[in-house]
Amino acid sequence: DVKVTQSSRYLVKRTGEKVFLECVQDMDHENMFWYRQDPGLGLRLIYFSYDVKMKEKGDIPEGYSVSREKKERFSLILESASTNQTSMYLCASRQERSNEQFFGPGTRLTVL
Amino acid sequence: DQQVKQNSPSLSVQEGRISILNCDYTNSMFDYFLWYKKYPAEGPTFLISISSIKDKNEDGRFTVFLNKSAKHLSLHIVPSQPGDSAVYFCAARRTMNRDDKIIFGKGTRLHILP
Repeated sequence: DVKVTQSSRYLVKRTGEKVFLECVQDMDHENMFWYRQDPGLGLRLIYFSYDVKMKEKGDIPEGYSVSREKKERFSLILESASTNQTSMYLCASRQERSNEQFFGPGTRLTVL
Repeated sequence: DQQVKQNSPSLSVQEGRISILNCDYTNSMFDYFLWYKKYPAEGPTFLISISSIKDKNEDGRFTVFLNKSAKHLSLHIVPSQPGDSAVYFCAARRTMNRDDKIIFGKGTRLHILP
């Protein structure tokens, strides 16, 4: 059974903290993605990666960075968390040239 | 500029009736379309897809229709069941380019009424 796992389901952090969100997939997929979901705004792409050590900016990369040191793992980093980064964060992976994207369960992050 | 538009933020349908969710797109280069379903506190899950060479794809209670000339697709759920209450995302991509992202709409929240 295919699986994308995220390190935390719920996370509460304080403004200014550095936050790490981890995502691991066991499908040997080349492509991995980070989205945030907010009411009325749908799924917005933050960053994506097509291969190890490769990263591309999505639609809303400001305030975020990513790391992909291993094929199965894609990390999202909030260098200095702010309240407007309170959101549901979703990781996804996809095999190259495939049309179906598999999502993790999401991390609901609250920044106080 | 939104390339994939779901103009209805929410929709309420009586249990047992047909649910029709609509989606419009602007990029004529899109050649593959998908629908995802999302429950609260869970990640989206793939529901059904259609290639641009087809105009209909059916899977059980779910049917997706594609009208390329109108750049419009719709998801039909018949009959609607309580478990269908969720947010539905329409998505599209260009399959020729490996670097192309899947573009998602903003979603439509479907409420199935008892």
